[in-house]
Amino acid sequence: GQSLEQPSEVTAVEGAIVQINCTYQTSGFYGLSWYQQHDGGAPTFLSYNGLDGLEETGRFSSFLSRSDSYGYLLLQELQMKDSASYFCAVTTTGGGKLIFGQGTELSVKP
Amino acid sequence: DADVTQTPRNRITKTGKRIMLECSQTKGHDRMYWYRQDPGLGLRLIYYSFDVKDINKGEISDGYSVSRQAQAKFSLSLESAIPNQTALYFCATSDRGSGREETQYFGPGTRLLVL
Repeated sequence: GQSLEQPSEVTAVEGAIVQINCTYQTSGFYGLSWYQQHDGGAPTFLSYNGLDGLEETGRFSSFLSRSDSYGYLLLQELQMKDSASYFCAVTTTGGGKLIFGQGTELSVKP
Repeated sequence: DADVTQTPRNRITKTGKRIMLECSQTKGHDRMYWYRQDPGLGLRLIYYSFDVKDINKGEISDGYSVSRQAQAKFSLSLESAIPNQTALYFCATSDRGSGREETQYFGPGTRLLVL
């Protein structure tokens, strides 16, 4: 079967750095994605790692280690608007569909 | 205008009723998906379609059916609604030709309450 684990909640202060971890167990792993969702709104794509290493997109970075079945999303210079739920999602070989984790609710405090 | 639209945005229905949720997209994508979201359970895949003639079951297809009427339209039906189908439903699209199939574009969601 497929499973992903991520923390349910994370709290951080404005201006800080926060890391949201994701571990997965899946057959035929192809890549790891991250999505952001504000208050039950439409999830939006943030980042994708198909290879080991770090991908950087502005204040957000994502990391993947295939050997450890592990990835993380790093958010720097936190802003209040970053308060949202963050989901990791696995793409398997054969492609085309995502398996989502249960999400991490990030609260950014002043 | 939104690229992925869902109708209705909110729906209240009674147990046993048949209802249809509709999704339309103007992105020209070939792949479409239906998910449901329950608090604390993330997004779970109900059905997906890679083109008009290709329909596949996801993790939780029981009690649901779909129709891909055209490349741009993908409908989800609850044949006989039950209270535990109360959830937030999302439609999404992706583009195989883009080489980034993992990038999915979500509609605004439909909040369904089954009484």
